[in-house]
Amino acid sequence: EAGVAQSPRYKIIEKRQSVAFWCNPISGHATLYWYQQILGQGPKLLIQFQNNGVVDDSQLPKDRFSAERLKGVDSTLKIQPAKLEDSAVYLCASSPHSYEQYFGPGTRLTVT
Amino acid sequence: KQEVTQIPAALSVPEGENLVLNCSFTDSAIYNLQWFRQDPGKGLTSLLLIQSSQREQTSGRLNASLDKSSGRSTLYIAASQPGDSATYLCAALRSNDYKLSFGAGTTVTVRA
Repeated sequence: EAGVAQSPRYKIIEKRQSVAFWCNPISGHATLYWYQQILGQGPKLLIQFQNNGVVDDSQLPKDRFSAERLKGVDSTLKIQPAKLEDSAVYLCASSPHSYEQYFGPGTRLTVT
Repeated sequence: KQEVTQIPAALSVPEGENLVLNCSFTDSAIYNLQWFRQDPGKGLTSLLLIQSSQREQTSGRLNASLDKSSGRSTLYIAASQPGDSATYLCAALRSNDYKLSFGAGTTVTVRA
């Protein structure tokens, strides 16, 4: 069974630029999560989708971050404009139920 | 709100020594607790998942215990190897909303 796929794996941008990350969950997983992990910290949930609907986006900085899940499968997370403090690893996870999440390899973003 | 703490933040041991990693959580109303491994700049690899009704879980050289009433979990790694060098994170899944709360991790270095 293929795991959660993410791209790109690494991205370097300048502040005020925009960037987008892509996630393809494990086939059949209804729930998809995006986490932000700043260096030295644990991952923090940004947004949770159930199929193509948003379940929780309370921690998403909506002035600059947006996310969508197309047809209940793939998802994109966008940052526009980026700030220095957005430098982090962005992790996508999926789950067939609520009890266990499967994580992708992450995208490492550096904002200069 | 669930607070998850991992002590120590970093640990360096000679090869062959047993490792003991600690995790504490403030809200005992958890569904399960999971231990992850993370290599620098990479995603999360699940090591062990302990259901709230279980006391421990074992996989090879790894053993994790859970004491829900005291809000503690411990990960034991026997006979450590240089390849065990990584950051280890614990995460507690809340029973009421199935939100995953992470600790900041313990960074382990095993010296050859």
